[in-house]
Amino acid sequence: EAQVTQNPRYLITVTGKKLTVTCSQNMNHEYMSWYRQDPGLGLRQIYYSMNVEVTDKGDVPEGYKVSRKEKRNFPLILESPSPNQTSLYFCASSPVPGQGPDYGYTFGSGTRLTVV
Amino acid sequence: AQTVTQSQPEMSVQEAETVTLSCTYDTSENNYYLFWYKQPPSRQMILVIRQEAYKQQNATENRFSVNFQKAAKSFSLKISDSQLGDTAMYFCAFMTGGGADGLTFGKGTHLIIQP
Repeated sequence: EAQVTQNPRYLITVTGKKLTVTCSQNMNHEYMSWYRQDPGLGLRQIYYSMNVEVTDKGDVPEGYKVSRKEKRNFPLILESPSPNQTSLYFCASSPVPGQGPDYGYTFGSGTRLTVV
Repeated sequence: AQTVTQSQPEMSVQEAETVTLSCTYDTSENNYYLFWYKQPPSRQMILVIRQEAYKQQNATENRFSVNFQKAAKSFSLKISDSQLGDTAMYFCAFMTGGGADGLTFGKGTHLIIQP
């Protein structure tokens, strides 16, 4: 089944304890992105990646890191989490538009992160 | 930079009615794509419908259709014969022609279908 897989689904952690949220896609998509969703704010982009070893900041990158060492994986790293990073996080991937009819981003199931 | 505006935070209609969700956007790009995503209580983000800006014909997917007005930068979603399972948050989203820099979302409309 074509999908984007995020882990974990739920995570409660303490301030300052480094964590990684994994994201993997099996559709051979070039593009991948991370978003956070907060009530009243919609979804905001954290980082995005055009391809292996090519990443760039989105609208809210502070406090986050990413890496794209393999095409299928795009982990999100919080080196020193703080309570204001409590949020719902989504990973998504997309083929290059114009290469087929199924353009657009496919989303993972989300990770609910609580930092106390 | 692009912006996407959804002016209706919440809407409520009766089952079987038709409902229209509004979305406007601002961009200086000429080539781009527009989407509507549905987020039910399960929180999964589901792609409902997509539209290429260079296509004048409005996209349709079963009970879902859009009214794309490029000059007015408007992209509304019409849901016909609404069903209880349509209850969800709906997000309008913009993607540049290249697509690599991801999606810009509106803040969403919470649609409630009443029995």
